[in-house]
Amino acid sequence: GEDVEQSLFLSVREGDSSVINCTYTDSSSTYLYWYKQEPGAGLQLLTYIFSNMDMKQDQRLTVLLNKKDKHLSLRIADTQTGDSAIYFCAERYNQGGKLIFGQGTELSVKP
Amino acid sequence: GAVVSQHPSWVICKSGTSVKIECRSLDFQATTMFWYRQFPKQSLMLMATSNEGSKATYEQGVEKDKFLINHASLTLSTLTVTSAHPEDSSFYICSARRSPLYNEQFFGPGTRLTVL
Repeated sequence: GEDVEQSLFLSVREGDSSVINCTYTDSSSTYLYWYKQEPGAGLQLLTYIFSNMDMKQDQRLTVLLNKKDKHLSLRIADTQTGDSAIYFCAERYNQGGKLIFGQGTELSVKP
Repeated sequence: GAVVSQHPSWVICKSGTSVKIECRSLDFQATTMFWYRQFPKQSLMLMATSNEGSKATYEQGVEKDKFLINHASLTLSTLTVTSAHPEDSSFYICSARRSPLYNEQFFGPGTRLTVL
């Protein structure tokens, strides 16, 4: 079945690293994504990783993929107050290419 | 590039009326557009997938007669909520994809629908 799960909340101090975790169920997913949503706004694609990769780094963002455990994480280095938002992971379901989203993790960054 | 707009950004309507939401890809042609619904503090749930020139494919549990989707051109898809009721109040988000060969969906800013 289609299921993506995330923890709901994460609170960090400004300057620390944040790690947001996600588990998924569809082992045939080709792409996994991280999106950011600010209050009242749509989704902004942060990064994505192809399923045959273990890691992808993009400036302050590092994505780790453990395909065996179906576990995806997003690490934000030097977290800033502007990073406060809800972060969604999503898997691209192989049939039809639709996206299945997790519940979202609300990241709160305290100064 | 790859900007998707939605109109209106918010709408308040009376119960029983119909509301149309537009989704436009501003600087690219989108063969596929997706419509999502998001309840407060919850995830996005895919409602339907719309391919230009053909009928939309609805997800299980989504009433196609209530949520009418039209994708008449490569830059415009519309979602009409017919005979809206308070339980239809939600945040509706569309996304657009150039073609199945492209990986990325570009999301619109969303439309907040409140039904009184």
